[in-house]
Amino acid sequence: NAGVTQTPKFRVLKTGQSMTLLCAQDMNHEYMYWYRQDPGMGLRLIHYSVGEGTTAKGEVPDGYNVSRLKKQNFLLGLESAAPSQTSVYFCASSYLRAEAYEQYFGPGTRLTVT
Amino acid sequence: AQKVTQAQTEISVVEKEDVTLDCVYETRDTTYYLFWYKQPPSGELVFLIRRNSFDEQNEISGRYSWNFQKSTSSFNFTITASQVVDSAVYFCALSEENFGNEKLTFGTGTRLTIIP
Repeated sequence: NAGVTQTPKFRVLKTGQSMTLLCAQDMNHEYMYWYRQDPGMGLRLIHYSVGEGTTAKGEVPDGYNVSRLKKQNFLLGLESAAPSQTSVYFCASSYLRAEAYEQYFGPGTRLTVT
Repeated sequence: AQKVTQAQTEISVVEKEDVTLDCVYETRDTTYYLFWYKQPPSGELVFLIRRNSFDEQNEISGRYSWNFQKSTSSFNFTITASQVVDSAVYFCALSEENFGNEKLTFGTGTRLTIIP
């Protein structure tokens, strides 16, 4: 039981490049989330999904897109990376609604945009 | 709007001392949930506790205890007899029961350093 895994762990991009972060969970959780963590700001929700085929915007969605084609996977895309997207990205999943069930987090992806 | 404030940015204590991490929240809902997460130096976030707004009983788990007071909108976390392994960033978080709003609002975290 691997829990929540994220690929890749580290990445350096140049401004304007694109990339996709992959999140996978093997706990059969319905809900999945993408957060970014910046110094002094805690974690902020980018996008989330309440089930296969559904996505919704979080607190800071601009510049990102997501897809949930399979229940176990949640992809985060950056179409044209900007230095402001330099951050640590965390994926999380929960059995059902966030307020009632704890979220399980992946190990994070450290992204640097130069 | 929901908000979580962790006013203590960094705390350092000597091993075996007790330490309390403060968390103050704001919400207009009567039903909400509060969480604490630990982020050790390795980077992953580890769930510690969840408390709903109708349960004001304090909780104790080994050396960890939590004090929930609705009157002061606080959900403080105490570590008794601290150990070096407790060194981490601790986040308090709040979620309201609001269908369509799945937001878990995190505080900015408190970095706790336990000095051997």
